[in-house]
Amino acid sequence: NAGVTQTPKFQVLKTGQSMTLQCAQDMNHNSMYWYRQDPGMGLRLIYYSASEGTTDKGEVPNGYNVSRLNKREFSLRLESAAPSQTSVYFCASSDIGQGGEKLFFGSGTQLSVL
Amino acid sequence: LAKTTQPISMDSYEGQEVNITCSHNNIATNDYITWYQQFPSQGPRFIIQGYKTKVTNEVASLFIPADRKSSTLSLPRVSLSDTAVYYCLVGAFSSGSARQLTFGSGTQLTVLP
Repeated sequence: NAGVTQTPKFQVLKTGQSMTLQCAQDMNHNSMYWYRQDPGMGLRLIYYSASEGTTDKGEVPNGYNVSRLNKREFSLRLESAAPSQTSVYFCASSDIGQGGEKLFFGSGTQLSVL
Repeated sequence: LAKTTQPISMDSYEGQEVNITCSHNNIATNDYITWYQQFPSQGPRFIIQGYKTKVTNEVASLFIPADRKSSTLSLPRVSLSDTAVYYCLVGAFSSGSARQLTFGSGTQLTVLP
């Protein structure tokens, strides 16, 4: 059981280039999330998808777009990368079960924009 | 949204019990308390979750007083591998509600030999 898989693990872009970060989960979770984490900081929510077919903005959505391709996959796109988008990006999915929501995270993508 | 306050850092020695307290004065009736652990270069990992009183699993205990305005994560007999950042989050249990969760800076726990 792979859990949440993110690709690529590392990426270097030049300012203005575009790229898509891929995320897939195999736990049949309804909700998926994209976070960024800057050095020494907590995670900030970029976009989320509460269920298949829906997406919505989080705390820091500017410069990003997302696609919930199906229940398993949730991609994050940078249309024109900027140095301020240098960060570590984490994808997560969530399970309700008994009790509160629990997040399951991928291993992250280290992105550098030069 | 319930705001949480936790210490920025803590040091401990191997074999000791570590208690990290989180304050959440405006917790709502529907809110659960969840703790995550994050190692460098990894995504956060769920540790424990509770609503009231005490919850225990194979790695930690979570103590929640009756007024639920604070919670304490207890790690028994820590080892060097427990060095990590620990996040306390408070949020409701509906699907997609994690969008309301705020990851602060967490508590950097350093376990010393």
